[in-house]
Amino acid sequence: RKEVEQDPGPFNVPEGATVAFNCTYSNSASQSFFWYRQDCRKEPKLLMSVYSSGNEDGRFTAQLNRASQYISLLIRDSKLSDSATYLCVVNMGNTPLVFGKGTRLSVIA
Amino acid sequence: EAQVTQNPRYLITVTGKKLTVTCSQNMNHEYMSWYRQDPGLGLRQIYYSMNVEVTDKGDVPEGYKVSRKEKRNFPLILESPSPNQTSLYFCASRPAGREPYGYTFGSGTRLTVV
Repeated sequence: RKEVEQDPGPFNVPEGATVAFNCTYSNSASQSFFWYRQDCRKEPKLLMSVYSSGNEDGRFTAQLNRASQYISLLIRDSKLSDSATYLCVVNMGNTPLVFGKGTRLSVIA
Repeated sequence: EAQVTQNPRYLITVTGKKLTVTCSQNMNHEYMSWYRQDPGLGLRQIYYSMNVEVTDKGDVPEGYKVSRKEKRNFPLILESPSPNQTSLYFCASRPAGREPYGYTFGSGTRLTVV
C-alpha cells in the first residue's frame, strides 16, 4: 500500500509555462501537508505548507482536497531555476512524515 | 544559524567495519529522523525519535541502530556495514506541536560500502 503517490515525471516544460503536480495520500487521518523541493544530490528543502483553504507564495500555489485526498502544486511562469524534484509530504500527527517519491521537473530554455 | 549538521559528508568504508554518522541540531527540536535515499525508491525512513530516550523503527531499520541521549544529537550507527547500505543518508528534525511543522534536513552523508 503506497501511502503517498506522485507521478514521477519527468515533466519537461518551456520557460514561462504553467505546470501542475498532483499527489494522492491514502490515510484520511492525515493532518498536515507539505511540498518540498530537492535539487540533485542535495537535501530536501521545505517549499511550502499546504492549507485546506489553499495558499499561494509568489508563483507557487498549493491546494488540498481532503474529500478526494489529494494535494496539488501549481507553478506559474516557470523559470529555469525551478528545475528540481518536488516531493509531496504528509503528516498524520505525532507520527513521522511520509514522503512521496517525487516528481521531476525540467524547465527548458 | 539554525541548522542540522551531519558528519561526515562523504564516507567510503569496507564491509563489516563499524561506523557512526553524527547528526546534531541547534533548534531545540523534539523530533529527529534518519532517512536513506536510493534511486527509484525515494526517501525511506530508517529510525525516528520523538524526544530524548524515545526512538522507534521506521520502514527500513535492519542493519542500523540509533540513540538519543541528548535532545540535540541523534547518531546513526552501522555495526557491520554491508554493500546494500551504500546510499545517501539524511538526518532531519522538526518541533513537536499542533502546528504543521516540516522537517529541516541536514546536507546529507554519501556512504559507500565496498
